[in-house]
Amino acid sequence: DIQMTQSPSSVSASVGDRVTITCRASQSISSWLAWYQQKPGKAPKLLIYAASTLQSGVPSRFSGSGSGTDFTLTISSLQPEDFATYYCQQANSFPYTFGQGTKLEIK
Amino acid sequence: EVQLAESGGGLVQPGGSLRLSCAASGFTFSSHWMHWVRQAPGKGLVWVSRINSAGSTTSYADSVKGRFTISRDNAKDTLYLQMNSLRAEDTAVYYCARRVAVAGNWFDPWGQGTLVTVSS
Repeated sequence: DIQMTQSPSSVSASVGDRVTITCRASQSISSWLAWYQQKPGKAPKLLIYAASTLQSGVPSRFSGSGSGTDFTLTISSLQPEDFATYYCQQANSFPYTFGQGTKLEIK
Repeated sequence: EVQLAESGGGLVQPGGSLRLSCAASGFTFSSHWMHWVRQAPGKGLVWVSRINSAGSTTSYADSVKGRFTISRDNAKDTLYLQMNSLRAEDTAVYYCARRVAVAGNWFDPWGQGTLVTVSS
């Protein structure tokens, strides 16, 4: 199975900050990567797929980049509603696997 | 509006069985692959199973293979997960999710989840 490792595991930031979360795959996954946002007690929500394609309805302050084994999710200017846990997911090979999550907290 | 709604979770003893359902609305259910993903309390997301649009092809995570069965009824717009021989480590919120209709195995939307607790 492909292992997905996110860093950091948690990060504290303020409204208006720029935040970057990284995700590393244990082997090349080309651009077969998605990012999800999950708020406490809620289901995950798809933000970005194919490494850099913004899902419909997702604010443009979210962006994704990378290919191969290294990927990043960037939030350009944090809003109060962005404080949540973020997961990456690889779809290159079966079984699909997720990173362990990055919790974005208010500083 | 595209919606998924799970039901059927609850408390079950180790070795017991449970069937989860996921009712779909707002889209052509029979055109989409569907998935189950679970999340143990305070833990991350783990993919469990998938089924193709016709219901003829299924796949499972190794941890549930031989114990869980995914199925669907396209006439009822409903996805199922039959869970047998349940173990304490199966305790989790179970989400159903639709495969996005573009190349790749991305999940959107997700249902609200149903909690399965395996305990004596």
